[in-house]
Amino acid sequence: GIQVEQSPPDLILQEGANSTLRCNFSDSVNNLQWFHQNPWGQLINLFYIPSGTKQNGRLSATTVATERYSLLYISSSQTTDSGVYFCAVRMDSSYKLIFGSGTRLLVRP
Amino acid sequence: DTGVSQNPRHKITKRGQNVTFRCDPISEHNRLYWYRQTLGQGPEFLTYFQNEAQLEKSRLLSDRFSAERPKGSFSTLEIQRTEQGDSAMYLCASRSPIRGGYGYTFGSGTRLTVV
Repeated sequence: GIQVEQSPPDLILQEGANSTLRCNFSDSVNNLQWFHQNPWGQLINLFYIPSGTKQNGRLSATTVATERYSLLYISSSQTTDSGVYFCAVRMDSSYKLIFGSGTRLLVRP
Repeated sequence: DTGVSQNPRHKITKRGQNVTFRCDPISEHNRLYWYRQTLGQGPEFLTYFQNEAQLEKSRLLSDRFSAERPKGSFSTLEIQRTEQGDSAMYLCASRSPIRGGYGYTFGSGTRLTVV
């Protein structure tokens, strides 16, 4: 089956710093999503981005489908950005989202 | 709209007992998903409903697991003869029928502990 790998697995930032999270996937996908799971466990959908670039405030994401990777950029990080960031993909042949193992981000004040 | 509601929030059960969880999706969302998440891992897909039809099931959904969505509204996930390995967070998500995919809303989950 398709493999979804995220890097780095863990990241510690000082408040105000910028960061880039990466998601590599092993096969063609028709759907790619980024999620944030806050320290209380709530999963929030950040981006639907099967290709191209999108921005939402301090967050932006880019997916290069032909090279099978996606990047999530966090600028001017805040303590509330802490949590786990998941990349998830879906293939044409299935309804399921396949999640990576996440990047655990801690933003220190 | 209060989002996706899951009950109970926590469940502690003895090994061998049956448990049932409920998910109430956003009312206009016809697509409903169940996922399971263990500590330190991403969510794993269990099953998918479109309206009342169960269109996909994971091999993770063994004979002891069953899910229903009567009348295409709320859904229940039942685990029979629970085992310690079933301990996990069970997440429900719903999605808008609008084509595009940017509509996954997850509930807060039910945390199951099997002792």
